[in-house]
Amino acid sequence: NAGVTQTPKFQVLKTGQSMTLQCAQDMNHNSMYWYRQDPGMGLRLIYYSASEGTTDKGEVPNGYNVSRLNKREFSLRLESAAPSQTSVYFCASSVLGANTGELFFGEGSRLTVL
Amino acid sequence: AQRVTQPEKLLSVFKGAPVELKCNYSYSGSPELFWYVQYSRQRLQLLLRHISRESIKGFTADLNKGETSFHLKKPFAQEEDSAMYYCAQGTYGQNFVFGPGTRLSVLP
Repeated sequence: NAGVTQTPKFQVLKTGQSMTLQCAQDMNHNSMYWYRQDPGMGLRLIYYSASEGTTDKGEVPNGYNVSRLNKREFSLRLESAAPSQTSVYFCASSVLGANTGELFFGEGSRLTVL
Repeated sequence: AQRVTQPEKLLSVFKGAPVELKCNYSYSGSPELFWYVQYSRQRLQLLLRHISRESIKGFTADLNKGETSFHLKKPFAQEEDSAMYYCAQGTYGQNFVFGPGTRLSVLP
C-alpha cells in the first residue's frame, strides 16, 4: 500500500498561473483534507471532504478550489497563483472525521509562486 | 474558535536530558488530543493520542483539563528525537486544529 500519494512534489509558478495538486489514497478512507504548512503557523486546513461527493471550506480557503473526484482522489486547484500561496501543501486522509481518528499524510508538495 | 498553542518554536536539549514540549488548548469540553511528529525528510505521522494512554518511543503525554494542557514528555532525550512536533486537537463535529509546532533539537 502506498498510503497517501500527492503530486507534484515540487512546483514553481509565476503569479497568475494555475495548477492542480493531485492526491490519492489507497486505504479506503472516507475523509480527505488539504493543509498548508507555513513557518510559525503550523498546519492550516484549506478544504476538506468528509465523504465522497462532499467538500467544505476550512480555515484558509480563499484562492483555492477542490474536487473530490471519487473516494480515492481529492485535488486542489489554484486558479490564479499568488506569492502568498508559496507554501508546503499536505494532503491527508482518515477513516472517519479527523477528530475521531488518525490522519495519514502525504509527503507534501512544495510550491513556490514568483 | 478552537486554538492550540505551543509556546516554544525551538527547544534544544542535550542527549540524555529530560524534554518537555508544551501544548495548551482552548476547548472547554472533552477534546481529543494528539501529538504528531515530522522527522527530517519524512511525512507527518501520529506519535500518540491521549485516549490510548500509551508510550511511544519513550514519549508520554498527560491531559490536564484544569490547565487545558497536553504536554509531551520524555525522561531521556535521544538524538533521533530531533524533529518537528505538532500538538493537535480534534473535537466532535469539527476538524482538527494544529498548533504552530515546536522544533526539538537534541544535541550530542
